[in-house]
Amino acid sequence: GAVVSQHPSWVICKSGTSVKIECRSLDFQATTMFWYRQFPKQSLMLMATSNEGSKATYEQGVEKDKFLINHASLTLSTLTVTSAHPEDSSFYICSARDLFTKGGSETQYFGPGTRLLVL
Amino acid sequence: DAKTTQPPSMDCAEGRAANLPCNHSTISGNEYVYWYRQIHSQGPQYIIHGLKNNETNEMASLIITEDRKSSTLILPHATLRDTAVYYCIALYNQGGKLIFGQGTELSVKP
Repeated sequence: GAVVSQHPSWVICKSGTSVKIECRSLDFQATTMFWYRQFPKQSLMLMATSNEGSKATYEQGVEKDKFLINHASLTLSTLTVTSAHPEDSSFYICSARDLFTKGGSETQYFGPGTRLLVL
Repeated sequence: DAKTTQPPSMDCAEGRAANLPCNHSTISGNEYVYWYRQIHSQGPQYIIHGLKNNETNEMASLIITEDRKSSTLILPHATLRDTAVYYCIALYNQGGKLIFGQGTELSVKP
């Protein structure tokens, strides 16, 4: 399957600082990428849909000014957690949609995730 | 997107087939059934998807009932490394968003 990478894999930061997470599709172009968050022992929660060259679409309850998303190219989307606080500590996962899978259907491939700890 | 229902947990003996059920009684005609799994502390891994016909790949088989109201993911020879949470998701082909439920926690035991 297609490969999606994330960087960094884990990050520890002080409260009040901003953290940038990169998501790259390595062997395919992705006009659409997605950002998820997962707390311990819970399922993945969709935060936003990132569209190349346009503004991201945020799910209800997700603060767009706190979670800045940039999708500058067909292979790169970034999530910046601004003024991070301990409650933002979580596992952040991106996915990228590959349009050219079998039968004209679409498949999303996920990155390995970034674990954020805010002290 | 149609809601899916899965048992919260299942056990399977190593080397045996693991059959994971999923109910999607309200699925519409152009919604695909996708299966992903998440091994602890990793990103979800795509397994397989289908619309009407049964599908098979190197990882698993997907059996969809004729009325499309339910499906079964089959891991033919489960190994310890197949221990994970398995998610069944109904998704429109164009522009759909993967919304994860609680999934089935599969434990493969020696």
